[in-house]
Amino acid sequence: DVKVTQSSRYLVKRTGEKVFLECVQDMDHENMFWYRQDPGLGLRLIYFSYDVKMKEKGDIPEGYSVSREKKERFSLILESASTNQTSMYLCASAAGIVQPQHFGDGTRLSIL
Amino acid sequence: DQQVKQNSPSLSVQEGRISILNCDYTNSMFDYFLWYKKYPAEGPTFLISISSIKDKNEDGRFTVFLNKSAKHLSLHIVPSQPGDSAVYFCAASPRGGAGSYQLTFGKGTKLSVIP
Repeated sequence: DVKVTQSSRYLVKRTGEKVFLECVQDMDHENMFWYRQDPGLGLRLIYFSYDVKMKEKGDIPEGYSVSREKKERFSLILESASTNQTSMYLCASAAGIVQPQHFGDGTRLSIL
Repeated sequence: DQQVKQNSPSLSVQEGRISILNCDYTNSMFDYFLWYKKYPAEGPTFLISISSIKDKNEDGRFTVFLNKSAKHLSLHIVPSQPGDSAVYFCAASPRGGAGSYQLTFGKGTKLSVIP
């Protein structure tokens, strides 16, 4: 079974802080993704990575950056957290294109 | 512009009956479709997928139907069980090009199976 692990289930930070969300997958998948889920909006893609050190913007990249230094790890960075970034953040990985994405359990981030 | 639409925010079904969840899409480049189930406080779990070369795919109690001409897909759950109560997301991606990495999700339908 694919295991996608997100480092924190719940996180509370203050506005202006730099926030790191970490994600690790154990299946040697090429592709990794960061989404946020908000009520009534479904899942929206922030960034994805198709290889080490490679990244592509998703639908809502503003205010975020990512880092993929190792194949198994994909980090989401909030450069200067704002209250509108309070959300559920979901990481996913996939073996390739046209393959199901497998999700972690999410990090519920609150920015105060 | 919502490219994947799940027009029913919620659905209630009696245990043992059929649950039918619907999804419409507008992007004619989409040709790979997936359904995910999500329980509260957990990440989405992949259920079943279908590519555009097929019009039906079955996996146990779950069947996905694709009508390309209508740009419509549906997920049938038979028989429905209380443990199926969750939010169901439809997702789609194009097959070729950089966009094929990307899934576009609907907003979800909350299914409640009543014992």
